[in-house]
Amino acid sequence: GQQLNQSPQSMFIQEGEDVSMNCTSSSIFNTWLWYKQDPGEGPVLLIALYKAGELTSNGRLTAQFGITRKDSFLNISASIPSDVGIYFCAGRSGGADGLTFGKGTHLIIQP
Amino acid sequence: DTAVSQTPKYLVTQMGNDKSIKCEQNLGHDTMYWYKQDSKKFLKIMFSYNNKELIINETVPNRFSPKSPDKAHLNLHINSLELGDSAVYFCASSPAGARETQYFGPGTRLLVL
Repeated sequence: GQQLNQSPQSMFIQEGEDVSMNCTSSSIFNTWLWYKQDPGEGPVLLIALYKAGELTSNGRLTAQFGITRKDSFLNISASIPSDVGIYFCAGRSGGADGLTFGKGTHLIIQP
Repeated sequence: DTAVSQTPKYLVTQMGNDKSIKCEQNLGHDTMYWYKQDSKKFLKIMFSYNNKELIINETVPNRFSPKSPDKAHLNLHINSLELGDSAVYFCASSPAGARETQYFGPGTRLLVL
């Protein structure tokens, strides 16, 4: 089946730093999404991307849909303590309803 | 005003038992899903369902069966539970015409002893 390679697996950063993570796939996706999961909660949608090359922002978060449709990145600027959590990329192919998820990036912010 | 809710939040049971997890959404969505998240936090689709079709991930054992009494509910029934079924199970839903935007429930933490 389809697989998403998400990196880095974890990040230890200082408050105020910028963060960048990415996902790559061996196959094309029609939609890329980024979710965040807090401990004990379900994933929450942050950004959805629908077109190759699309660049979308949501507050301090910016994500892009790669031109090849096989990759996406998420940037977080000026990180704050509440940014801590697990960030997942996800892709959806045409006709398939379920999302294919990356393995997550654990973001840890050191005081 | 909970959007997607699941019960129970925690479920501890013995191997071989049969159990059900309930899911309800009050968003008026027409498609619902079940995902499994393993101990390494990997999320994998198990089922997607609307009133027209059930799509099953071929890797899901037939001991797992979704049951939908109505459009707002999709329950997950598991027969003959095994140790490897221990995981967090998430229900999700999405609106018609935007199936990529899925809203997740809080999860059910299943532990099989």
